[in-house]
Amino acid sequence: GQNIDQPTEMTATEGAIVQINCTYQTSGFNGLFWYQQHAGEAPTFLSYNVLDGLEEKGRFSSFLSRSKGYSYLLLKELQMKDSASYLCASGNTPLVFGKGTRLSVIA
Amino acid sequence: NAGVMQNPRHLVRRRGQEARLRCSPMKGHSHVYWYRQLPEEGLKFMVYLQKENIIDESGMPKERFSAEFPKEGPSILRIQQVVRGDSAAYFCASSPLSSGNTGELFFGEGSRLTVL
Repeated sequence: GQNIDQPTEMTATEGAIVQINCTYQTSGFNGLFWYQQHAGEAPTFLSYNVLDGLEEKGRFSSFLSRSKGYSYLLLKELQMKDSASYLCASGNTPLVFGKGTRLSVIA
Repeated sequence: NAGVMQNPRHLVRRRGQEARLRCSPMKGHSHVYWYRQLPEEGLKFMVYLQKENIIDESGMPKERFSAEFPKEGPSILRIQQVVRGDSAAYFCASSPLSSGNTGELFFGEGSRLTVL
C-alpha cells in the first residue's frame, strides 16, 4: 500500500528555520518530491531526492533517508511569503501525495 | 512558453448536470495526470493518460467519471450527474516522462467545481 504522513499544521516566526518532516511507505520507490502550494493556486515543484542525504537549493533544503522511509524539508530565513502548504510526494507512477503541511509564518 | 492550461477555472453546476474539465499539457509533454483536491485535503490521484490511452485509472470512481486524451486536442475529465460531493478542485499535471522515472509534474491552476 501507499502511505505518506506529514504534520497537518506548523507555525514559525519570520527569519527563523523550520523543518517539515515526512515519512512514507510506498510499493516501489523512485524518489521523493516536495511541492509548495499557496492557497487557491497550483502546486509548484521545490525539490527531488533519490539518493540519501541533503540537497540544498538556496533557502530550501531537502533530506532523504531511504532506509528509514523519511524525508524532511528545511526552510531557512523564513519570509511571510513562505506561508503555504508543503506537499510531500513519493516518486511512483503516479505520484502519491501526502495531505500537506500548512505552514504559517508570523511576524 | 505556456504552462499547463486548464479551463474553466471555475465551474458551477446543479446536481444531476454534467461537468467537463479541460487540460492542455505543456508543449512536448505526452503524459497527463488528473488529481482531485478537497478543502484541507491532499491531492488524490484519479487517472493517468498518454495520448489515446488510459494507463492507470485506479483512482477514478467507477461510475459517472471518465477521462480521455485524444490524439488531437486537450485531455478531458468528464463528470456525469454531478452530486454535491463532487465539489472540489481538479488539478491536471503533465510530464515529459512517467512520474516514476524522475518525471517532475507540472501542474495547471486547477478547475474549481461547485455543485449546488
